[in-house]
Amino acid sequence: NAGVTQTPKFQVLKTGQSMTLQCAQDMNHEYMSWYRQDPGMGLRLIHYSVGAGITDQGEVPNGYNVSRSTTEDFPLRLLSAAPSQTSVYFCASSYSTRGAGSYEQYFGPGTRLTVT
Amino acid sequence: RKEVEQDPGPFNVPEGATVAFNCTYSNSASQSFFWYRQDCRKEPKLLMSVYSSGNEDGRFTAQLNRASQYISLLIRDSKLSDSATYLCVVNLFSGGYNKLIFGAGTRLAVHP
Repeated sequence: NAGVTQTPKFQVLKTGQSMTLQCAQDMNHEYMSWYRQDPGMGLRLIHYSVGAGITDQGEVPNGYNVSRSTTEDFPLRLLSAAPSQTSVYFCASSYSTRGAGSYEQYFGPGTRLTVT
Repeated sequence: RKEVEQDPGPFNVPEGATVAFNCTYSNSASQSFFWYRQDCRKEPKLLMSVYSSGNEDGRFTAQLNRASQYISLLIRDSKLSDSATYLCVVNLFSGGYNKLIFGAGTRLAVHP
């Protein structure tokens, strides 16, 4: 298994440009999510999905869109890049999040995004 | 107030030292707790879950105090390879789904 994969690893955008960060998992996980990590802030949840066709907003959704047309893929779209979106973006997946238990989240290697 | 708070460190310790990290959380409805490890410029990975009775995995011991809303991680006999950032993670169960809340992390540097 490749686990969780993300592309690209690095990206530089100009203010106002749009782009899509790709995320895929081959573990048949129901739950997928996007986080951003900034110095001193911890990981903050952007959007998440509990299954194909179902997405919802996290803590910091503004400026980002997601869709989940298949179990495997969960792309994150930046609509009009701003310098405040300079960050490291991690995609994660887990078997499920339903029920009172909790499942280990597996993270992709991250995308380092700089917006100038 | 942050939902999960950690001392950012860095903790600089010699090999063989014992080091303890603390974490506090604000939501008393939090149900489960974890420590993740993140190496420099890498993704976080689960280190261990934290149980009410305390649990140990080799040189690592995790403790939970629900009354004080406090979690700890103890590392004994530190190795150079333990150098990393340790993330305290709290799970909230709400609306039928679980949500993980991450602390900002505590950085550990083990030196020879």
